[in-house]
Amino acid sequence: AQTVTQSQPEMSVQEAETVTLSCTYDTSESDYYLFWYKQPPSRQMILVIRQEAYKQQNATENRFSVNFQKAAKSFSLKISDSQLGDAAMYFCAYRSKETSGSRLTFGEGTQLTVNP
Amino acid sequence: GAGVSQSPSNKVTEKGKDVELRCDPISGHTALYWYRQRLGQGLEFLIYFQGNSAPDKSGLPSDRFSAERTGESVSTLTIQRTQQEDSAVYLCASSLFSAMFEQFFGPGTRLTVL
Repeated sequence: AQTVTQSQPEMSVQEAETVTLSCTYDTSESDYYLFWYKQPPSRQMILVIRQEAYKQQNATENRFSVNFQKAAKSFSLKISDSQLGDAAMYFCAYRSKETSGSRLTFGEGTQLTVNP
Repeated sequence: GAGVSQSPSNKVTEKGKDVELRCDPISGHTALYWYRQRLGQGLEFLIYFQGNSAPDKSGLPSDRFSAERTGESVSTLTIQRTQQEDSAVYLCASSLFSAMFEQFFGPGTRLTVL
């Protein structure tokens, strides 16, 4: 079974600065998806960024980028020019590409605080 | 509707009562998932429906939990004889087909068992 670990329960960053959230995972599969989701106090899960394991290029979405190290099974999220609206719980998640395993497996989350 | 909707938004019940939670997926989404999120924790998979295939119930924590889905529409998650440890946010998500497509989440139902 796959597992996802987020070792930072809480992180803080000053507005306009950069912060990196860590995530490691364990799997025996060679092809899969990795995700970062944001969950504000409204509880709504919002997809931030997605990475396909067979793609070597790191995914980027505006101020959000990932550092995907497949051999190390590491998938960190970098938020540049942090904004107050980025404050939320962030979850790293794994998804198998096999149809039968299309559930998401989540880490425990990292609570991000953005200080003005 | 434009997104996944869930009702009720909040539910408070007494230990031992049965509760029913509802999820309305995005129209046309054949895949539907239920997850549980305990306070301060990540989401745990409960059950997965894909079209008319038999659901994947492997995440249900006990036989007090069950879920149904009629075709490709509404799903209900039922918890019988609720216990205090069932207190959590229950989130529903839907997607086109299954593995390849993004899961869109609803706002969840916060269940409190007194």
